[in-house]
Amino acid sequence: GESVGLHLPTLSVQEGDNSIINCAYSNSASDYFIWYKQESGKGPQFIIDIRSNMDKRQGQRVTVLLNKTVKHLSLQIAATQPGDSAVYFCAEMGAGGTSYGKLTFGQGTILTVHP
Amino acid sequence: GAGVSQTPSNKVTEKGKYVELRCDPISGHTALYWYRQSLGQGPEFLIYFQGTGAADDSGLPNDRFFAVRPEGSVSTLKIQRTERGDSAVYLCASSGDPGLHEQFFGPGTRLTVL
Repeated sequence: GESVGLHLPTLSVQEGDNSIINCAYSNSASDYFIWYKQESGKGPQFIIDIRSNMDKRQGQRVTVLLNKTVKHLSLQIAATQPGDSAVYFCAEMGAGGTSYGKLTFGQGTILTVHP
Repeated sequence: GAGVSQTPSNKVTEKGKYVELRCDPISGHTALYWYRQSLGQGPEFLIYFQGTGAADDSGLPNDRFFAVRPEGSVSTLKIQRTERGDSAVYLCASSGDPGLHEQFFGPGTRLTVL
């Protein structure tokens, strides 16, 4: 079936560097793409989302880019901090039909930030 | 304010037993979701409620799994005749509307079936 997946399972960066986490998706009908952060022993925490009719969206220290041509999603974290160390998941949600209301998650990327 | 809470945080049971997992959503949230997360994987959708009714239960793996939300607030996920393959973290989330992609997750219940 259609799914959302990640290119890189692990990413290690130095504190202060910028981080880029990538995600490939296959469901072109998805209406929203969302990034979640999950720390050990906790549930996923919403970071930022982007609608399918947008290419870029910025938040506080984070930017999400959407390339619908190649079905690619990325999360950029500026000035990465040790507190950013976690597993990052991309997820998608459709606007209606069988995808409405439920998130389909990818496998996740482990981000480790070294001080 | 209080977030989504789940009880118990850990549950160890024997194969064949019945278990109930509880979720208290954020007050006022009409949509409630259950997901299951295996080690090293992303959460996998099980079921979601809009109010008291199950709007989509397509993710429930088989008829041993059942969930209720009788008063439109607290929800209980029930698993009958548990199997070792049911071992996972069961996550609950809520949102103000099922179309909202900012779902607020609880800490999960870690279920271990021996």
